[in-house]
Amino acid sequence: QKEVEQDPGPLSVPEGAIVSLNCTYSNSAFQYFMWYRQYSRKGPELLMYTYSSGNKEDGRFTAQVDKSSKYISLFIRDSQPSDSATYLCAMSGNYGQNFVFGPGTRLSALP
Amino acid sequence: NAGVTQTPKFQVLKTGQSMTLQCAQDMNHNSMYWYRQDPGMGLRLIYYSASEGTTDKGEVPNGYNVSRLNKREFSLRLESAAPSQTSVYFCASSLTGPGNTIYFGEGSWLTVV
Repeated sequence: QKEVEQDPGPLSVPEGAIVSLNCTYSNSAFQYFMWYRQYSRKGPELLMYTYSSGNKEDGRFTAQVDKSSKYISLFIRDSQPSDSATYLCAMSGNYGQNFVFGPGTRLSALP
Repeated sequence: NAGVTQTPKFQVLKTGQSMTLQCAQDMNHNSMYWYRQDPGMGLRLIYYSASEGTTDKGEVPNGYNVSRLNKREFSLRLESAAPSQTSVYFCASSLTGPGNTIYFGEGSWLTVV
């Protein structure tokens, strides 16, 4: 079993839709959870950062962490064509430099 | 507003040739990383450096060497390139310690023929 699992997609949604992107993980030591957005031919850029369980909202984006289920989600409201990208989940623990990434979900938000 | 800068952006090598990917960050981060990204494989850590003067192997170090030249710069060297090293390479940096986030460069596209 991979340490972090993520549906690779591709996921196609109409403009204005609500999108749910998800990751599951197996290591209960993870405490810090991130979502990165990666446009084609670009490097990943940090989108959301959360610590432990709970929700965090930033504009149209909401990150949700459920540590009891080892499940994290990113919700995108009112999706726009500019949201078309690959979304990577990432997580780390209290033990130093180890960031673990999901393989990414490719999202297309169609006008 | 540079962040993490990588060079070159694109490179084509012949099998057996050597080359060095350069990386510099201006965020005063202690830790630096090299990843490769392949379709369906996600980001895989090649090497990382927790501080100036130290380097450690990641998940896929074979065929690569690194040098942490100073706090700002971390280079990745392919001594004898192989077609299996065709990939996109990302340099990244972070502050040291738990709870910090990692920041990436724009990537270097390498093709080995």
